[in-house]
Amino acid sequence: GENVEQHPSTLSVQEGDSAVIKCTYSDSASNYFPWYKQELGKRPQLIIDIRSNVGEKKDQRIAVTLNKTAKHFSLHITETQPEDSAVYFCAARGSSNDYKLSFGAGTTVTVRA
Amino acid sequence: EAQVTQNPRYLITVTGKKLTVTCSQNMNHEYMSWYRQDPGLGLRQIYYSMNVEVTDKGDVPEGYKVSRKEKRNFPLILESPSPNQTSLYFCASSWDRGGTEAFFGQGTRLTVV
Repeated sequence: GENVEQHPSTLSVQEGDSAVIKCTYSDSASNYFPWYKQELGKRPQLIIDIRSNVGEKKDQRIAVTLNKTAKHFSLHITETQPEDSAVYFCAARGSSNDYKLSFGAGTTVTVRA
Repeated sequence: EAQVTQNPRYLITVTGKKLTVTCSQNMNHEYMSWYRQDPGLGLRQIYYSMNVEVTDKGDVPEGYKVSRKEKRNFPLILESPSPNQTSLYFCASSWDRGGTEAFFGQGTRLTVV
């Protein structure tokens, strides 16, 4: 099955700086890659996603890039703010016949004021 | 208000005592799934369902059962809970069979002693 690896496991950034989280996946047939943010004690919430026919997607301060050849995708947060502090999870969904969603282990992001 | 509702939020039980965690969504979503979240392991999919009476195993199905008799409900059943099933459980639903995992429930923290 799909194996998703996520790095780094923790990330501390100064407010206003950028944060980058990287994930790799093993199944070349994977076609959907969402990112989730989970604040302490809360449920995961989808913040951005990308499909395999797109190389980059932006939503305000958040962007995701996908490199299908290398089988990796990244989350970029610019101009970080204290409210960006959370655990971020990447995920990959397999081919159209496999609806299993595999998650990375998560990155704890701390934005220092 | 669109939501996914899980019950109970917290549960302490003893080994071997059957239990059910309920999940209900009010968005008429076809796709529902269950995850468990453990420190350092991220979210792992237990079971998923693409529609009524259609369920399939995720990555960690052992020790769990599910049913999907109605579109809105997707209960998770632990026939004989064991301490290694102590975890935080999330139910999720999505409108798109191959797409966005948009809504998670509030989570159920289960402790098996």
